[in-house]
Amino acid sequence: AAGVIQSPRHLIKEKRETATLKCYPISRHDTVYWYQQGPGQDPQFLISFYEKMQSDKGSIPDRFSAQQFSDYHSELNMSSLELGDSALYFCASSFFGGPGDTQYFGPGTRLTVL
Amino acid sequence: DAKTTQPTSMDCAEGRAANLPCNHSTISGNEYVYWYRQIHSQGPQYIIHGLKNNETNEMASLIITEDRKSSTLILPHATLRDTAVYYCIVRVEMNTGNQFYFGTGTSLTVIP
Repeated sequence: AAGVIQSPRHLIKEKRETATLKCYPISRHDTVYWYQQGPGQDPQFLISFYEKMQSDKGSIPDRFSAQQFSDYHSELNMSSLELGDSALYFCASSFFGGPGDTQYFGPGTRLTVL
Repeated sequence: DAKTTQPTSMDCAEGRAANLPCNHSTISGNEYVYWYRQIHSQGPQYIIHGLKNNETNEMASLIITEDRKSSTLILPHATLRDTAVYYCIVRVEMNTGNQFYFGTGTSLTVIP
């Protein structure tokens, strides 16, 4: 079965630009999570969506927003990019109420802000 | 919130069992323990999870103490490809979802 798909895999932006990251969950998964992993750091939870509604919010900056669409894919929109936003961004999906609600992670998008 | 504590690093000889400990002394009754691993900047890979009972799958075994304050992930026959950062995570159950708080993890190096 296909895993979580993220696009693009690599993205280079200038300061103050905007970026949009996309996540396509595993088929029949209804919950999507976004994580940010800075260089040498551990993944940090940003935000999650269940059935197209925001479910939990972590350390997501106000410059970032996200949504989940009717086909359950999700997009993370990042504006006024800063150098410190350079990181790996992971998306994970799960089936809420499934066995243990196990999250399955995508390969990540590497964002570089110059 | 530091929900889990793990050793920073460990070595294991190839072919031997790797035992990775984790302390989660503040775990509550309905919180699961999950183990993931991350191989150099790849997406975290699910290994195993448990609530109270010991669990085993094709990848590993999870031993949870009776008081649930600690657990051990066992890789029965470590290979070089098991070199990774291993994260022990306590899932925080919220109303409409579950957050994963990654700690610092254990960097496991399997030595030939």
